[in-house]
Amino acid sequence: QVQLVQSGAEVKKPGASVKVSCKASGYTFTDYYIHWVRQAPGQGLEWMGWINPNSGGTNYAQKFQGRVTMTRDTSISTAYMELSRLRSDDTAVYYCARDLGYSISRGGFDYWGQGTLVTVSS
Amino acid sequence: DIQMTQSPSSLSASVGDRVTITCQASQDISNYLNWYQQKPGKAPKLLIYDASNLETGVPSRFSGSGSGTDFTFTISSLQPEDIATYYCQQYDDLPPTFGQGTKVEIK
Repeated sequence: QVQLVQSGAEVKKPGASVKVSCKASGYTFTDYYIHWVRQAPGQGLEWMGWINPNSGGTNYAQKFQGRVTMTRDTSISTAYMELSRLRSDDTAVYYCARDLGYSISRGGFDYWGQGTLVTVSS
Repeated sequence: DIQMTQSPSSLSASVGDRVTITCQASQDISNYLNWYQQKPGKAPKLLIYDASNLETGVPSRFSGSGSGTDFTFTISSLQPEDIATYYCQQYDDLPPTFGQGTKVEIK
């Protein structure tokens, strides 16, 4: 069965960076785009960007341009999201999610990781 | 960015009631709309894709309709396990954007 398993919770100081991992199983990792979506406490869902695990190509939301980097390691079927220059308003649960389109980005998300809480506090 | 406006923001209904949530896009998005269910402390779950297609394994009491700018999500007979927040999401244009959510509670 398809599973996305994320790394554990992180506590960071303002100005630091965080790198969250998302390990895929149950399907061919390179066949589906991986998206990252975050949710601040008590708030709605915010799309951050996607990575094409086959090519390594990325597309980031304008809001995060220059601060976010999405990468992947196909040998271990794992995608990564690194966010730099953290601020207190980056405190959120970060989710990876698989695109429901085969080999294309359809922009919908059929499988999600369990979420990783990133807390930014001095 | 395309703005998605959901209503109501919350509702309270009895078990067995028909529940309807609406979602309006700020521009024509054809049928490029999904609906998700999120229970507290859990990741969202895809229920409906392409405005009206039921995801595999999702109970048939859930349905969606609409195209263009106006969409509707319906639970035909509310069950206790349906307590959650529901989100619409457009993918006609980048960035994908979500509605603000509708919290469904049992009366």
